[in-house]
Amino acid sequence: AQSVTQLGSHVSVSEGALVLLRCNYSSSVPPYLFWYVQYPNQGLQLLLKYTTGATLVKGINGFEAEFKKSETSFHLTKPSAHMSDAAEYFCAVAGGNNNDMRFGAGTRLTVKP
Amino acid sequence: EAQVTQNPRYLITVTGKKLTVTCSQNMNHEYMSWYRQDPGLGLRQIYYSMNVEVTDKGDVPEGYKVSRKEKRNFPLILESPSPNQTSLYFCASSSRTGWAYEQYFGPGTRLTVT
Repeated sequence: AQSVTQLGSHVSVSEGALVLLRCNYSSSVPPYLFWYVQYPNQGLQLLLKYTTGATLVKGINGFEAEFKKSETSFHLTKPSAHMSDAAEYFCAVAGGNNNDMRFGAGTRLTVKP
Repeated sequence: EAQVTQNPRYLITVTGKKLTVTCSQNMNHEYMSWYRQDPGLGLRQIYYSMNVEVTDKGDVPEGYKVSRKEKRNFPLILESPSPNQTSLYFCASSSRTGWAYEQYFGPGTRLTVT
């Protein structure tokens, strides 16, 4: 069984500052890891995913995440926050089938001018 | 445009009055799923379908029904809604080719049961 813990339900950063959203996972099989973003009044949109291969994954809008097996982590980063990054972010883990996908509770990112 | 559509987007109803939330995708995806989103709990899977006429329970199926008579449609049925089903509902679909299939989400249906 898989599970995800997102550390921090709310994160606030200033425009131009580093964005770091934390995600730790638990999985009994090699995990597939995802970050989704939800803008207000919209559905979820895939930011990036890790399946196999390179552990540093680049996604859309300048986001990236690094899979660290030893730390069971998949933290999301962006070097410089933009006002348009304000949204809710969800980390998810799957064991290879979408019916096994588990989402974290979400982290709401606020970007201050 | 590839998309998942849901209707209605907003619904206020009363306890016990049957309702259906429709979901349709135009990407010829085999896999479809329903989630509910509640504050502090993230998304929890209600039901999923691997293909036409194949459905199965997710983590929180109680009080819900689904059907998959056509590949593109996957309606969510609440036979007798209760206030604890007040939530934000998302439909999603994905292709089964390869591993770690990306799920495409609909815009959501906000349901209030009074």
